Amino acid sequence: NAGVMQNPRHLVRRRGQEARLRCSPMKGHSHVYWYRQLPEEGLKFMVYLQKENIIDESGMPKERFSAEFPKEGPSILRIQQVVRGDSAAYFCASSQRGEAGYGYTFGSGTRLTVV
Amino acid sequence: GNSVTQMEGPVTLSEEAFLTINCTYTATGYPSLFWYVQYPGEGLQLLLKATKADDKGSNKGFEATYRKETTSFHLEKGSVQVSDSAVYFCALSDRGGGATNKLIFGTGTLLAVQP
Repeated sequence: NAGVMQNPRHLVRRRGQEARLRCSPMKGHSHVYWYRQLPEEGLKFMVYLQKENIIDESGMPKERFSAEFPKEGPSILRIQQVVRGDSAAYFCASSQRGEAGYGYTFGSGTRLTVV
Repeated sequence: GNSVTQMEGPVTLSEEAFLTINCTYTATGYPSLFWYVQYPGEGLQLLLKATKADDKGSNKGFEATYRKETTSFHLEKGSVQVSDSAVYFCALSDRGGGATNKLIFGTGTLLAVQP
């Protein structure tokens, strides 16, 4: 019973390139959350999705960032025209029920480095 | 807005020492409270949680009590082991507004246990 799978584990991009981060939730989980961890900081909420729907994107930067969770396949966090300040660890979490009070299951994260 | 403050690390202890990591929160309403642990190179794992005032969460020898009067959720363990070395995050569930499904994290406390 695999947990939340994120890939790649490490991603290096040059400034101006696109970064695509993938997240496959646990089996049976239909709620996906993306968090970003900047150096020396805690995790910050970015976006909450259910299958084919964005429920809450209040933590997403207004430009260059987008997320999707299609009917088939993993959830994708896409960052266009990356800048150095995008360097961070990006964590995906999933839950069976859309209620944070039950706790999430997190993936191991994707560490993005922009050079 | 809601927030979590936890003691800065690193916390360095000898094996079998007593551990306390302080966590206080600011929240409207009655959030659920969590401690997550992150081992090197891995994602966050839920360690314990408490959903209402005076609840005590416990797991693997760790404990934390939801104290509404002091808005605290301090993590304790009577005798730490080298294998407990990790980063510990305090978090609360944000039930405010229309986006009710996100967690708000503290900045994390690095615990290093020496043999």
